[in-house]
Amino acid sequence: AQSVTQPDIHITVSEGASLELRCNYSYGATPYLFWYVQSPGQGLQLLLKYFSGDTLVQGIKGFEAEFKRSQSSFNLRKPSVHWSDAAEYFCAVVEYGNKLVFGAGTILRVKS
Amino acid sequence: DAGVTQSPTHLIKTRGQHVTLRCSPISGHKSVSWYQQVLGQGPQFIFQYYEKEERGRGNFPDRFSARQFPNYSSELNVNALLLGDSALYLCASSWDRSSYNEQFFGPGTRLTVL
Repeated sequence: AQSVTQPDIHITVSEGASLELRCNYSYGATPYLFWYVQSPGQGLQLLLKYFSGDTLVQGIKGFEAEFKRSQSSFNLRKPSVHWSDAAEYFCAVVEYGNKLVFGAGTILRVKS
Repeated sequence: DAGVTQSPTHLIKTRGQHVTLRCSPISGHKSVSWYQQVLGQGPQFIFQYYEKEERGRGNFPDRFSARQFPNYSSELNVNALLLGDSALYLCASSWDRSSYNEQFFGPGTRLTVL
């Protein structure tokens, strides 16, 4: 079975600083990978996805992620964090069809 | 356009009771999936329905069941509630079962079992 590991439970960054959230996956073939964001009281919103091709993927809200097969990683990055980015971020991989396997999430705190 | 809607927003039940959660997908979407998100964890897959048939089931006991109606809305039923069933239940809809099609998530139903 596929699995996703997000090593950081909490991350705190200053507003305007850069951000990197880590994600490692376990999957034999080429994975389909996703990053979702969840704000309090809201459902999950898709930030970006990787299926194939260019390993650097651009998403919404200024986020990007890089797929590195050699490291089984799909880290999420943003060059300059805004206070509104404070939320919980989930990395996910497709297991079959469009069944998603999620990591445990990383809570991002932004300090002013 | 309306997104995925779920009802109720919050629900409080006691152990042993039964609960029904409802989901209306985005218009035109034929696939509905249910996920359970326990506090401090990522969502876990419960069921997927497509064209009114169960197409996938996660590692959940038989107390959990679901169905999809002709209008593609869906219900999740949980019998004999346990304290551990307390969670946010998320519904997601997509055009079909293809991995390429984005799943859109509803705001969830927060279930508390006392």
